[in-house]
Amino acid sequence: ELKVEQNPLFLSMQEGKNYTIYCNYSTTSDRLYWYRQDPGKSLESLFVLLSNGAVKQEGRLMASLDTKARLSTLHITAAVHDLSATYFCAVPDSGTYKYIFGTGTRLKVLA
Amino acid sequence: GAVVSQHPSRVICKSGTSVKIECRSLDFQATTMFWYRQFPKQSLMLMATSNEGSKATYEQGVEKDKFLINHASLTLSTLTVTSAHPEDSSFYICSARQRGTPNNEQFFGPGTRLTVL
Repeated sequence: ELKVEQNPLFLSMQEGKNYTIYCNYSTTSDRLYWYRQDPGKSLESLFVLLSNGAVKQEGRLMASLDTKARLSTLHITAAVHDLSATYFCAVPDSGTYKYIFGTGTRLKVLA
Repeated sequence: GAVVSQHPSRVICKSGTSVKIECRSLDFQATTMFWYRQFPKQSLMLMATSNEGSKATYEQGVEKDKFLINHASLTLSTLTVTSAHPEDSSFYICSARQRGTPNNEQFFGPGTRLTVL
């Protein structure tokens, strides 16, 4: 059974600092998705990572995928308050189109 | 492109009544739609997968008689919560997979917040 874990679960950081969120998954997958969720809202797609070694950057966020280690990272550079949200990774279950979501990381950026 | 809508966005109902939530793919054909439930401060949990014209596949622990899913066309899936109770109060999110999408990406709707009194 595919399990997806994120850490940390909660992250409180100062503006201007850097930090990394980790997403580990338990079975083979060659793709992974990152989403942002604001309170009371649905998911906003951030990154679609489709192969081993994939790296994508958008603004202060950069995501990477290591399929051999079954690990993805979401790196935050020089955090700003607007990045405060919950971040989820999702991994497709092998052989189906189902997504298994990570536990989520609730990020709070303090001014 | 790839827009998914849900209706209603918010619904409050009395215990024992049934509520129907619609999920539509607005600008593409969705061969597969998914229904998720999210409780406060928790992750999304997949409830069921529906394919157009066939019966939905429910995840373990989800009561198929309570959560009726119909995927009548390539652009519409409905979730009916029958005889709703307060513990069914949650945020329900649908997603759709576009026909022919090479990377299996799902596109998510804006969610429906259900409150059962």
